[in-house]
Amino acid sequence: GESVGLHLPTLSVQEGDNSIINCAYSNSASDYFIWYKQESGKGPQFIIDIRSNMDKRQGQRVTVLLNKTVKHLSLQIAATQPGDSAVYFCAENRGTGGFKTIFGAGTRLFVKA
Amino acid sequence: NAGVTQTPKFQVLKTGQSMTLQCAQDMNHNSMYWYRQDPGMGLRLIYYSASEGTTDKGEVPNGYNVSRLNKREFSLRLESAAPSQTSVYFCASMGLPGVGSPLHFGNGTRLTVT
Repeated sequence: GESVGLHLPTLSVQEGDNSIINCAYSNSASDYFIWYKQESGKGPQFIIDIRSNMDKRQGQRVTVLLNKTVKHLSLQIAATQPGDSAVYFCAENRGTGGFKTIFGAGTRLFVKA
Repeated sequence: NAGVTQTPKFQVLKTGQSMTLQCAQDMNHNSMYWYRQDPGMGLRLIYYSASEGTTDKGEVPNGYNVSRLNKREFSLRLESAAPSQTSVYFCASMGLPGVGSPLHFGNGTRLTVT
């Protein structure tokens, strides 16, 4: 069935290293993808998004890559900091009018000092 | 500018009790959403309201009802709580629900049903 999923449930990186969080999606008709960060006890917070007519988008220390051929999306965090420790969700916006956002299960990022 | 505000933050219910989770947003967004978050399952859509006066089912609507009270407020009601409804509930709003707009979330209501 259709799904938005993640390859790894947890990721541990050294402070200062780059982090890469991966996500697979199965609906080739999806045209908008979003990454959210969720800190403990809080709601998910928007980080960066990308539309299907793009393959790369950069923000401040974050980059999202979209590979439509293999239906894969990744979030790269440069110079990972302790404050980046959180759960990261990829999400897919689909449905008439774009009302339904479907989330993957999440990847927990641990940053080691 | 508070964004999305949810009340209460925590709640414990006994099986069969009812309660209403409140949500309000001050961003003048048209669409609002209720999600539940269970360990290892990400967020699942319960109900949404595309605009004031309309509501629609999401992935997991059974056991819940919603009311879009006005443009700002969207409530979620559990008529007869069950242990399977133990979860964290998030309300969200979206500014431009055409393709290409992120959700803005509240900080959740942590519900335990015993």
